[in-house]
Amino acid sequence: NAGVTQTPKFQVLKTGQSMTLQCAQDMNHEYMSWYRQDPGMGLRLIHYSVGAGITDQGEVPNGYNVSRSTTEDFPLRLLSAAPSQTSVYFCASSYSRGPYGYTFGSGTRLTVV
Amino acid sequence: GENVEQHPSTLSVQEGDSAVIKCTYSDSASNYFPWYKQELGKRPQLIIDIRSNVGEKKDQRIAVTLNKTAKHFSLHITETQPEDSAVYFCAASESGNQFYFGTGTSLTVIP
Repeated sequence: NAGVTQTPKFQVLKTGQSMTLQCAQDMNHEYMSWYRQDPGMGLRLIHYSVGAGITDQGEVPNGYNVSRSTTEDFPLRLLSAAPSQTSVYFCASSYSRGPYGYTFGSGTRLTVV
Repeated sequence: GENVEQHPSTLSVQEGDSAVIKCTYSDSASNYFPWYKQELGKRPQLIIDIRSNVGEKKDQRIAVTLNKTAKHFSLHITETQPEDSAVYFCAASESGNQFYFGTGTSLTVIP
């Protein structure tokens, strides 16, 4: 049982490049979310999903896309990277019958230059 | 949407003393309040949670209290140890699929 797996752990992008952050969980969790963590600002919700085929926007969705084709996977796409997207990104998941606290992935540290 | 405020932003205590971190929330519909501990360079990890039908919950040296009327909840750590040093986040949720986090408290336990 690997829990929540995020790849890559580190990434450097040039402004305007696109990329996909991968997230997979093997706990059969219905809920999955993406957060970004910036100094002094806590964790802010980017997008979330309540099940396969269903996604919705969080607090800071601009510049990011998500899809949820399977229960296990929830990739986050940066469409055209900007320096303001330099951050640590966490994927998280939980059961729907709760509420329950999230299980977080190990994070992706992204730098946009 | 929900707004969660957390205080203090930094807290230093002597080993063995108690530490208290407070959070307030704005949405009366929020009914679930987890606390996370994040060590440097690591992922946030759930340490304790409380639901709105409970006023207090305790797990060994940590406890959480909830005052629904005042819309605030607090984390209490007793007999602090150096390994308690970390950043602590509170959060609030109505549905369990969207969590709103406080901005974090950096706790330092001085040996």
